Amino acid sequence: GQNIDQPTEMTATEGAIVQINCTYQTSGFNGLFWYQQHAGEAPTFLSYNVLDGLEEKGRFSSFLSRSKGYSYLLLKELQMKDSASYLCAVSDSNYQLIWGAGTKLIIKP
Amino acid sequence: DAMVIQNPRYQVTQFGKPVTLSCSQTLNHNVMYWYQQKSSQAPKLLFHYYDKDFNNEADTPDNFQSRRPNTSFCFLDIRSPGLGDAAMYLCATSREIGQPYEQYFGPGTRLTVT
Repeated sequence: GQNIDQPTEMTATEGAIVQINCTYQTSGFNGLFWYQQHAGEAPTFLSYNVLDGLEEKGRFSSFLSRSKGYSYLLLKELQMKDSASYLCAVSDSNYQLIWGAGTKLIIKP
Repeated sequence: DAMVIQNPRYQVTQFGKPVTLSCSQTLNHNVMYWYQQKSSQAPKLLFHYYDKDFNNEADTPDNFQSRRPNTSFCFLDIRSPGLGDAAMYLCATSREIGQPYEQYFGPGTRLTVT
């Protein structure tokens, strides 16, 4: 079967750094997406990785290791507005997105 | 601004009373998706359209139907809503299929079944 695993919830402090992990087992791989979803709102695109390595985009970075079936999202200089759920999604052999349940990130002052 | 619009944002319906949710897009994308998302769960794909070609996911209940009368609009019909159908319904679009294109989401419709 196809499976995406992420921690259910994480807590971090404003100004700190947090790493959200995602492991996957899918039928085929055409890249991995990270989306941010604030409570009661739609997911919004953060990043896409298809090759191994780190992609940096401002305060957010995303890493991929295809051999390990592993990705992480790194958030630096955390702000209160970063409190949200972060969803990992893999594009499978049919280019369909297989979604994780999301990691709820709580930022404390 | 190009966007994905969903109406209404909140919908309350009675058990067994048919309800229709709507989605429109100004992105001129060929692919449209309907997802169901329950609290703290992954979005579950119900249907997707490539242009007017309809694709039903294998485990989507028969109670759910969809229509895409033109490129811009897509509807989700729930024929006889049950309490278990209370969820957020998300409409999304992507430019094409056959590539891992980013999906653009509407704000969602939160459905309550009483």
